[in-house]
Amino acid sequence: NAGVTQTPKFRILKIGQSMTLQCTQDMNHNYMYWYRQDPGMGLKLIYYSVGAGITDKGEVPNGYNVSRSTTEDFPLRLELAAPSQTSVYFCASSYPGQGMEAKNIQYFGAGTRLSVL
Amino acid sequence: AQSVAQPEDQVNVAEGNPLTVKCTYSVSGNPYLFWYVQYPNRGLQFLLKYITGDNLVKGSYGFEAEFNKSQTSFHLKKPSALVSDSALYFCAVRVIAYNTDKLIFGTGTRLQVFP
Repeated sequence: NAGVTQTPKFRILKIGQSMTLQCTQDMNHNYMYWYRQDPGMGLKLIYYSVGAGITDKGEVPNGYNVSRSTTEDFPLRLELAAPSQTSVYFCASSYPGQGMEAKNIQYFGAGTRLSVL
Repeated sequence: AQSVAQPEDQVNVAEGNPLTVKCTYSVSGNPYLFWYVQYPNRGLQFLLKYITGDNLVKGSYGFEAEFNKSQTSFHLKKPSALVSDSALYFCAVRVIAYNTDKLIFGTGTRLQVFP
């Protein structure tokens, strides 16, 4: 029972480099999310998706891009890495449910620790 | 704007004592509220939720939370703390709109339980 899988676990980038953080879930969840976690700042939503082909910006989207071509995968792209993007990145997924059964319990991956030097 | 506040960066408690981690919220309409826990080097794990009904919600690992509409609070509680409860705790509120369904998280409270 894999749940939400993120790769890589750790990465060091040089300023200006690009990379893609991978996220895949095997729970057939419609909704997927990318967060970054900075010390003392809690989690900030970067992008989210309510289904394949649909994405939208969260609180801190600048410097990132996403795509959602399948239900399972939701990669996060950093085009020109900057030191301000040093953070821990979490992917999550959820099934929102309907009406009184609505839950939107989010299931998180183990995170990707990214350093930009 | 919808938001949650966790006024304490850290809570210290002795093992066996009751613990409370505070959360207040600001939402329009009926709130959907959640607590998550994060252990070191791990992702967040769901603890419990309030959607409607009984104001006292029971969750995983013996935790419970009390929803108080008049005080707009959703404090996390446990009658007897364990050292293994030491972790980072996040309160969250669900925000729903057309084509939007997301959680807004508080800044987190670090719980330290001393033996």
